[in-house]
Amino acid sequence: DGGITQSPKYLFRKEGQNVTLSCEQNLNHDAMYWYRQDPGQGLRLIYYSQIVNDFQKGDIAEGYSVSREKKESFPLTVTSAQKNPTAFYLCASSAGLVYNEQFFGPGTRLTVL
Amino acid sequence: DAKTTQPTSMDCAEGRAANLPCNHSTISGNEYVYWYRQIHSQGPQYIIHGLKNNETNEMASLIITEDRKSSTLILPHATLRDTAVYYCIVRVFSSGSARQLTFGSGTQLTVLP
Repeated sequence: DGGITQSPKYLFRKEGQNVTLSCEQNLNHDAMYWYRQDPGQGLRLIYYSQIVNDFQKGDIAEGYSVSREKKESFPLTVTSAQKNPTAFYLCASSAGLVYNEQFFGPGTRLTVL
Repeated sequence: DAKTTQPTSMDCAEGRAANLPCNHSTISGNEYVYWYRQIHSQGPQYIIHGLKNNETNEMASLIITEDRKSSTLILPHATLRDTAVYYCIVRVFSSGSARQLTFGSGTQLTVLP
């Protein structure tokens, strides 16, 4: 089945630690995105990538880093510099010409203890 | 992107049609209407989009008024699994660059048994 997978589903980390969230897609999509969602809120864009080896900051990139070494993978690292990292993290992808139709993964819920 | 207005919440009886309205009075001629939904603790799911003609797919129907200032998403036979927050988004059909999706507050649809 084609789709987007994120792992793990739940993640706990101690304050001060870096953590990497995985996102993989087998839809052959060029563009990939990372969003953050806080309780009762909409989605906010962290980073996005249009092609391999290229990525751009979104609205709330501070304290996060990404890489895009392969078309199908777009991991997100939440660094210790992120002041309030506890949130629901969503990865999405879209095809080359239909960017508004984004397909989302199941999400990773990160809790900082 | 044009601003949208949706009711905060709606109830619908299982098996009946769910009609979710969206106002977008400032929509411009090249902006499409997109609908997504998000089931609790899951990633958003694309439902349907349209420009000015009514659209139908396996999930729903989209009715856009002639003046394009409002639209209605119709789930013809709502089930309990359709309980979710439904988002109406208006934006230009993008074919040149990856752009984030901006979700507003949406409508919480609760399907009642």
